[in-house]
Amino acid sequence: GAVVSQHPSWVICKSGTSVKIECRSLDFQATTMFWYRQFPKQSLMLMATSNEGSKATYEQGVEKDKFLINHASLTLSTLTVTSAHPEDSSFYICSAALRNTEAFFGQGTRLTVV
Amino acid sequence: GDSVTQMEGPVTLSEEAFLTINCTYTATGYPSLFWYVQYPGEGLQLLLKATKADDKGSNKGFEATYRKETTSFHLEKGSVQVSDSAVYFCALSDGSGTDKLIFGTGTRLQVFP
Repeated sequence: GAVVSQHPSWVICKSGTSVKIECRSLDFQATTMFWYRQFPKQSLMLMATSNEGSKATYEQGVEKDKFLINHASLTLSTLTVTSAHPEDSSFYICSAALRNTEAFFGQGTRLTVV
Repeated sequence: GDSVTQMEGPVTLSEEAFLTINCTYTATGYPSLFWYVQYPGEGLQLLLKATKADDKGSNKGFEATYRKETTSFHLEKGSVQVSDSAVYFCALSDGSGTDKLIFGTGTRLQVFP
């Protein structure tokens, strides 16, 4: 299947700083990318849907000013966690898809805010 | 809203044992149903899917049947291998064309020789 690369795999940052996570589709052009968040022993929760060249659509309860999503090209979407706090510590996962086709997932990013 | 419930893990089995991981769903429309697998250190991979009632998805010896009457999509395999050790996620897509997936909590499977 197609490959989606997520970087970094893990990151530790200080409280109050910002962290950027990249999601790249390596061998296909993704019209849509999704960002998920997973807490321990819980399901993946969709945070936002990102379409190339347009603003991301955020799920209810997700702060768009805190979780900035940029989908600048058909192969790259970024998630920036601004002014991170310990409660933002989580596992973030992206997926990329062509319209109405299978979504391919990155390997995830473990964020720890200290 | 739509939701997916799957059995808690971990599920621990000996090699060649029969596997069942239960998954039930709640949906207002006509969802498509999926099983994803996540091997250690890797991203989620689509294992199988079914798009309408009574469809059976199958792949790598795994099977799941879309049961509308019981709102279930249980994952089965007749003889597991150590290499099947992974986390398995049941998911649904609401069929609205947005490609959004709603996931269960995941079930960790551990297979011992």
